[in-house]
Amino acid sequence: EAGVVQSPRYKIIEKKQPVAFWCNPISGHNTLYWYLQNLGQGPELLIRYENEEAVDDSQLPKDRFSAERLKGVDSTLKIQPAELGDSAVYLCASSLAGVTDTQYFGPGTRLTVL
Amino acid sequence: DQQVKQNSPSLSVQEGRISILNCDYTNSMFDYFLWYKKYPAEGPTFLISISSIKDKNEDGRFTVFLNKSAKHLSLHIVPSQPGDSAVYFCAAGVGNYGQNFVFGPGTRLSVLP
Repeated sequence: EAGVVQSPRYKIIEKKQPVAFWCNPISGHNTLYWYLQNLGQGPELLIRYENEEAVDDSQLPKDRFSAERLKGVDSTLKIQPAELGDSAVYLCASSLAGVTDTQYFGPGTRLTVL
Repeated sequence: DQQVKQNSPSLSVQEGRISILNCDYTNSMFDYFLWYKKYPAEGPTFLISISSIKDKNEDGRFTVFLNKSAKHLSLHIVPSQPGDSAVYFCAAGVGNYGQNFVFGPGTRLSVLP
């Protein structure tokens, strides 16, 4: 069974440019998470989806960040415009809510903003 | 204000010995705890969990202990193997189904051959 897929794995952009990350969760997983991980820190939740509904986006900086999960399967996280402080690893995870607590993480996208 | 703390950024242990990784939390509402392991350039992978109704959970070489009164949990790895070298994250949450978990900053474990 395929795990959580994320692309791209690495992205280098200049500040003020837009960037988008894509995530395909494990088949059948209805809950999808986007996390931000800064160097030397643990993952911090940005947004959680139950199917296509964003049930917790309280930590998402909505002035520049947006996310969507239109059909309740794959998801896109966008930053526009990117700032220097956005350089981090963006992790996507999925789980089968109501059945298991285990979140399965993708490999992440390492973003560098110059 | 960190709700989940892992005060040791790194730990080195000889192969075959016990590794003990510690985690403290401040939110008394947390009742479910997980440990994740992360290798470089990979996402975290689930290791073991414990509910607040228990004080111990075992899975092979891995055991997690929970001390609710002290708001402290620990992960024991016995015996430690070189392949255990990774960053270990403690995570805590309220409830165990599809809830948000707060992660600690991680402890880098090095198991020396």
